[in-house]
Amino acid sequence: EAGVTQFPSHSVIEKGQTVTLRCDPISGHDNLYWYRRVMGKEIKFLLHFVKESKQDESGMPNNRFLAERTGGTYSTLKVQPAELEDSGVYFCASSQDYGASNEKLFFGSGTQLSVL
Amino acid sequence: AQSVSQHNHHVILSEAASLELGCNYSYGGTVNLFWYVQYPGQHLQLLLKYFSGDPLVKGIKGFEAEFIKSKFSFNLRKPSVQWSDTAEYFCAVIPSSGGYQKVTFGTGTKLQVIP
Repeated sequence: EAGVTQFPSHSVIEKGQTVTLRCDPISGHDNLYWYRRVMGKEIKFLLHFVKESKQDESGMPNNRFLAERTGGTYSTLKVQPAELEDSGVYFCASSQDYGASNEKLFFGSGTQLSVL
Repeated sequence: AQSVSQHNHHVILSEAASLELGCNYSYGGTVNLFWYVQYPGQHLQLLLKYFSGDPLVKGIKGFEAEFIKSKFSFNLRKPSVQWSDTAEYFCAVIPSSGGYQKVTFGTGTKLQVIP
């Protein structure tokens, strides 16, 4: 089966610009997660969609970040305006079932974002 | 809130050497424990997980991990590493009552295996 795909794989932008990251989950997966890893630090949860609804966005850093999931399929994460501290790797993951006991999470390869 | 510590940030081993990567967590309740691996240029994938039962868990590619509750540890081991094990390894914890929105990852350990 096709895996979780993320676009672009790399993005280099200047401070103040806007960037939109895209994630295509595995078909049929209702749960979609965004995570971020700032260089040298741990991977941190950003938000969780169930279908098109935001189930939990407690990890979103601030209101410069906007996530959407149109029709419960692909998701976008927009950063506007980007700041230097937004640099890092943004991971997307999807799963079919909910709950750590049953859930198998599939990750994308990540988008490396560099803000200069 | 829980936390995860991976003490080894960068490990270099020769092929056939034994591997042990440390992982300690802090949390007041029961947890589910995971090790993930990211090979160069690839996505994160699950190596093994522990939910309950036998504290010695076997995963893919000959890896195993042992949950020692009294030490809050979940160290990853492999008796004999190969060059293809070169990757970054992440320990992760989820409270037993939670889902992946509650996951806490460690900072990762980069393993370099020299042929």
